[in-house]
Amino acid sequence: EIVLTQSPGTLSLSPGERATVSCRASDTVNSRYLAWYQQKPGQAPKLLIYDASRRATGIPDRFSGSGSGTDFTLTINRLGPEDLAVYYCQQYSMSPYTFGQGTKLEIK
Amino acid sequence: QVQLVESGGGVVQPGRSLKLSCAASGFPFRSYGMQWVRQAPGKGLKWVAVIWNDGSNRYYADSVKGRFIISRDNSKNTLFLQMNSLRVEDTAVYYCARSSDSWGSSSSHWGQGTLVSVSS
Repeated sequence: EIVLTQSPGTLSLSPGERATVSCRASDTVNSRYLAWYQQKPGQAPKLLIYDASRRATGIPDRFSGSGSGTDFTLTINRLGPEDLAVYYCQQYSMSPYTFGQGTKLEIK
Repeated sequence: QVQLVESGGGVVQPGRSLKLSCAASGFPFRSYGMQWVRQAPGKGLKWVAVIWNDGSNRYYADSVKGRFIISRDNSKNTLFLQMNSLRVEDTAVYYCARSSDSWGSSSSHWGQGTLVSVSS
């Protein structure tokens, strides 16, 4: 099983700042089969990024993904109050598909 | 637009069974892989199972393997999760999600979830 470790656990930033979330895999994620999801309080998750760097439909270009192998990053530019959420990475390179433990983004 | 509506959740005793359903609409159901993901109260997301568009492949999390069965009825646009030998630790909101492709890729659309509570 590929274990995904996200850091930091919690991020507290001000509006307009940039958020960077790391996702480290215990083994190589083939073909960059890694996704990022956003889950706002009381809502279902929402796909932001797939295949490590492709933005999902309707996702603003403030959100970007990068990385390969075992190290991946989600970057959110120009933070706004609407970005308050928990962010998860998920690998679908190998079953069982696994999620990271989540990173909580707080907006000051 | 894509709609996924889960049903079948509820309160059940440990060791009993429950079957979840997910009614899909707004897209060609038979063309997409489907998945179940769960979230225990106050906890993170946990992947449960995936089924290819034609049902040819199914994979499970180790924690549910041998107890849960994912299936689909493409003629009725419905996904299922048969949950047997339920444990207290299976308590969670169960989300149905549509893959981005015919196999088990990223989940591009999600339902609102159905709560399963396992308690004596």
